Amino acid sequence: AQKITQTQPGMFVQEKEAVTLDCTYDTSDPSYGLFWYKQPSSGEMIFLIYQGSYDQQNATEGRYSLNFQKARKSANLVISASQLGDSAMYFCASRGITGANNLFFGTGTRLTVIP
Amino acid sequence: DVKVTQSSRYLVKRTGEKVFLECVQDMDHENMFWYRQDPGLGLRLIYFSYDVKMKEKGDIPEGYSVSREKKERFSLILESASTNQTSMYLCASSFDRLNTEAFFGQGTRLTVV
Repeated sequence: AQKITQTQPGMFVQEKEAVTLDCTYDTSDPSYGLFWYKQPSSGEMIFLIYQGSYDQQNATEGRYSLNFQKARKSANLVISASQLGDSAMYFCASRGITGANNLFFGTGTRLTVIP
Repeated sequence: DVKVTQSSRYLVKRTGEKVFLECVQDMDHENMFWYRQDPGLGLRLIYFSYDVKMKEKGDIPEGYSVSREKKERFSLILESASTNQTSMYLCASSFDRLNTEAFFGQGTRLTVV
């Protein structure tokens, strides 16, 4: 089984600033993937970024980057140059090679971007 | 465009009713999932299916059952709805590969009165 911990229920960031959303994971799988999703107030889940456990480099997708520290079991999401449209819930998730590739989610962080 | 479609966006049902939530995907995904989302609890897995007619319990299966008769369709059934099943229900699907994301439907907000 896998466990995801997001310790920040809510975060505020000034527009155009960078923000880091924390995520730690616990897994016994030798190989696993880490995902971040965004959920705006409309409710849809939007996939943002993926990091594989054996990837040598941190993943980046536009303004999103994943600060992957395997030894510390952390996979923090960094959003650069925040925009008002970034205000949303953000979920960290993991999936491993056991359990039919189930996707396990954390409790989420609500990000509010302040103009 | 990839698509996961849930049959209803909003539903209001009475206590004791049998409720069907339908989900259809058009991506030929092997895996399909039903999650429940509640404030402060994140997404919790109810059931998943990795093949037609195959199903596995997730973390909170009590009070729910599922059906997957065709690869593209995964149904969640509330046998006898109760008020504590009032929630947002999210369906998702994915390929059976570690490095692929899951695609989600738009969600069904179910209220049991």
